[in-house]
Amino acid sequence: AQTVTQSQPEMSVQEAETVTLSCTYDTSENNYYLFWYKQPPSRQMILVIRQEAYKQQNATENRFSVNFQKAAKSFSLKISDSQLGDTAMYFCAFDGLTFGKGTHLIIQP
Amino acid sequence: EAGVAQSPRYKIIEKRQSVAFWCNPISGHATLYWYQQILGQGPKLLIQFQNNGVVDDSQLPKDRFSAERLKGVDSTLKIQPAKLEDSAVYLCASSFATGTFTIEQYFGPGTRLTVT
Repeated sequence: AQTVTQSQPEMSVQEAETVTLSCTYDTSENNYYLFWYKQPPSRQMILVIRQEAYKQQNATENRFSVNFQKAAKSFSLKISDSQLGDTAMYFCAFDGLTFGKGTHLIIQP
Repeated sequence: EAGVAQSPRYKIIEKRQSVAFWCNPISGHATLYWYQQILGQGPKLLIQFQNNGVVDDSQLPKDRFSAERLKGVDSTLKIQPAKLEDSAVYLCASSFATGTFTIEQYFGPGTRLTVT
């Protein structure tokens, strides 16, 4: 069975700063997808970014990028130029089915 | 495009009562998921349907939870009888995925269940 670990329960940064959220996972599979989902307060969970394990190039979506280290089984999310609207719970997910416990990210004005 | 719909949004029941949740996925999505999200934790997959067949229900407490997806569209999740530890948000999600990998899931707003 796969496991996903997010070691930072909560993080707080100032607006416009860059922040990195950590995620490690355990699997014996070789081909898989990894995801970061965002869950704003009282709002629906939405996809932030996904990474295919067979692709060496790190995925990027505007201000969001990942650092995927397959051998280390690490999948961190970097948010550049953070905005107040980035305040949310962020969940790392393996194959979209196994989720970590989440990191509560707070962007301070 | 309409999103994933869930009802009710909130439900309060007493322990040992029964409750049912409804989900309507995005039109054309073959795969439907039910998750349980306990406060302070990530979502835990309860059951995954592909069309109207069950793909994975290994984490569904089958002595009290049941789910069905008739005609491969809408789905209901039932708890009978409820326990205090069932208090959680129940999330429904859907995706186009029909193969091995889940590419992207679209989540509904969830149903917040409180068992007293």
